[in-house]
Amino acid sequence: QSVLTQPPSLSAAPGQKVTISCSETSSNIENNYVSWYQHLPGTAPKLLIYENHIRPSGIPDRFSGSKFGTSATLGITGLQTGDEADYYCGTWDSSLSAWVFGGGTKLTVL
Amino acid sequence: QVQLVESGGGVVQPGTSLGLSCAASGFIFSTYGIHWVRQAPGKGLEWVAVISYDGSDKYYADSVSGRLTISRDNSKNTVYLQMNSLRVEDTAVYYCAKDQGHCSGGSCHAYDYWGQGILVTVSS
Repeated sequence: QSVLTQPPSLSAAPGQKVTISCSETSSNIENNYVSWYQHLPGTAPKLLIYENHIRPSGIPDRFSGSKFGTSATLGITGLQTGDEADYYCGTWDSSLSAWVFGGGTKLTVL
Repeated sequence: QVQLVESGGGVVQPGTSLGLSCAASGFIFSTYGIHWVRQAPGKGLEWVAVISYDGSDKYYADSVSGRLTISRDNSKNTVYLQMNSLRVEDTAVYYCAKDQGHCSGGSCHAYDYWGQGILVTVSS
């Protein structure tokens, strides 16, 4: 079974940059697109990045995505207090016909 | 605008059944796959199931296979999740989410819209 690993938590100061990693031991990230989601408690999750690096309309360019081999990364620059949320990576595991989420990263903006 | 509205949640006892609905609007419903995703208290997001645009393909997480059934009615722009033999560990907020693609042939893409979620509590 594919497992996506994210750091459980990260913290940074307002205005700084942070990167959230998403890695797996199998080849599903390598062979499939990765997407990233922002989830604030009590609200609907929001799509931040799809197809590894594409921002949907309305997502500021402070958010960026990249993928190299079996690892993907979400970058957030110019951190704002409103960016405090849980962030999840995800991909479709084509060998299992199942979606897989990372465990989530809780971002604190101090 | 795109809207997904879940309904049908509540408190039920272990071993019983419950049905959730997801009513969609603002897009051509019959051309997109729809997922159910859940979040248990204090836990991360967990994918539950997906149904392809025409209902011909359905896939389930191992944790729910055989107990939960996803279906859709394209004439009513609605997706359903029938949950049987519920367990305490099924307690979660359940979200329906629209895929960017058809989700046919065993391939899905990304979730571009989500509902607000509905709470299901399984407790004796």
